[in-house]
Amino acid sequence: DVKVTQSSRYLVKRTGEKVFLECVQDMDHENMFWYRQDPGLGLRLIYFSYDVKMKEKGDIPEGYSVSREKKERFSLILESASTNQTSMYLCASSPIAGGSQETQYFGPGTRLLVL
Amino acid sequence: QKEVEQDPGPLSVPEGAIVSLNCTYSNSAFQYFMWYRQYSRKGPELLMYTYSSGNKEDGRFTAQVDKSSKYISLFIRDSQPSDSATYLCAMSPGYSSASKIIFGSGTRLSIRP
Repeated sequence: DVKVTQSSRYLVKRTGEKVFLECVQDMDHENMFWYRQDPGLGLRLIYFSYDVKMKEKGDIPEGYSVSREKKERFSLILESASTNQTSMYLCASSPIAGGSQETQYFGPGTRLLVL
Repeated sequence: QKEVEQDPGPLSVPEGAIVSLNCTYSNSAFQYFMWYRQYSRKGPELLMYTYSSGNKEDGRFTAQVDKSSKYISLFIRDSQPSDSATYLCAMSPGYSSASKIIFGSGTRLSIRP
């Protein structure tokens, strides 16, 4: 079974703080993704990575950065947290595309509240 | 216009009913179609996956894709209270090593005992 874990289930931070969200997958997947999920807006892609040290912007990268130093780990960084970054953050991984591999496996999510 | 449209619900049906969940899309390049189930305060989990048009059945669940109409459906037979969750459709063209999956915003489903 694919396992994607996220470092925290709930986080409360103050405006201006630097926030690190970590994600680890144990299935040797090439691709990793960070989404945020907000009511009525669905899942929106922040960043993704298709290899170690590679990263690509998603649809809403502003205010975020990412790091992928090892294949199994993908970190999302909020450089200076703001209240509009209060959201559910979901990490996902997938094997390299092709045939029946085109699916993503999600972690349990981190619910972030920025005060 | 969003690439993928999904009625947010909520949809409430009695236990044992047949449930029909639907999504429409605009991008004819989509080849891979997925349904995810998300329980409250949890991450989405893959429920069904289909490639191109046609039907796929897995127990009480049937996924249907009509590419000519750009319309996909998920049917749940003999619905159970444990099926209460948000259901997200998702799709992608699948032609690149990290092709983006586009998600619908989800339909909230409640099965009444």
